[in-house]
Amino acid sequence: IQLTQSPSFLSTSVGDRVSITCRASQDISSYLAWYQQKPGKAPNLLIYAASTLQSGVPSRFSGSGSGTEFTLTISSLQPEDLATYYCQQLKSYPLTFGGGTKVEIK
Amino acid sequence: QVQLVQSGAEVKKPGASVKVSCKASGYTFTGYYLHWLRQAPGQGLEWLGWISPNSAGTTYSQKFKGRVTMTRDTSMNTAYLELSRLRSDDTAVFYCAREGSNSTHAFDLWGQGTMVTVSS
Repeated sequence: IQLTQSPSFLSTSVGDRVSITCRASQDISSYLAWYQQKPGKAPNLLIYAASTLQSGVPSRFSGSGSGTEFTLTISSLQPEDLATYYCQQLKSYPLTFGGGTKVEIK
Repeated sequence: QVQLVQSGAEVKKPGASVKVSCKASGYTFTGYYLHWLRQAPGQGLEWLGWISPNSAGTTYSQKFKGRVTMTRDTSMNTAYLELSRLRSDDTAVFYCAREGSNSTHAFDLWGQGTMVTVSS
């Protein structure tokens, strides 16, 4: 299953609302997760089951969608949100990831 | 403290093998599947497979079958990834990640990563 993320790069300002899209090549129901990866660090789980916030993740992060189209939204971007964001499908093997969206703070 | 701690960086020659370890602490090692992934420099994430620390059962990505072996030592709470017949394009950071007990089994705990460099 191929996952296509857009945009691949985002330059935005603190306080802005940010949306990242992930499209699956086939129906994956809600078997989608979002991860944040800061430079030089391992990924960190933000959202699972398309819209469930992982424990400890700030509430400014939210996820939506099902089937083939999904969105990660950051309601008010903070400086510490500088990172690359990946979607992952857990519907079938091989597990696959989107190509990533790098978020830069202006 | 719940964590996965991986072994240190490796430099290998083409054709050699590498074995990376992933030591779990702070939780029941046999209670969660462990997955292995890699990330080439400046690239995205690629899944290699998983191991059940309880049964030692494995599932590998078709891309790596024949080159990858995942094992575990329950007495040491440690999982291992061995990749053989290394090529230069295997240069990457390798991660272990725990499959969580959430509804879709997303990866809720990651190791810090192990850099493997393949160079002659």
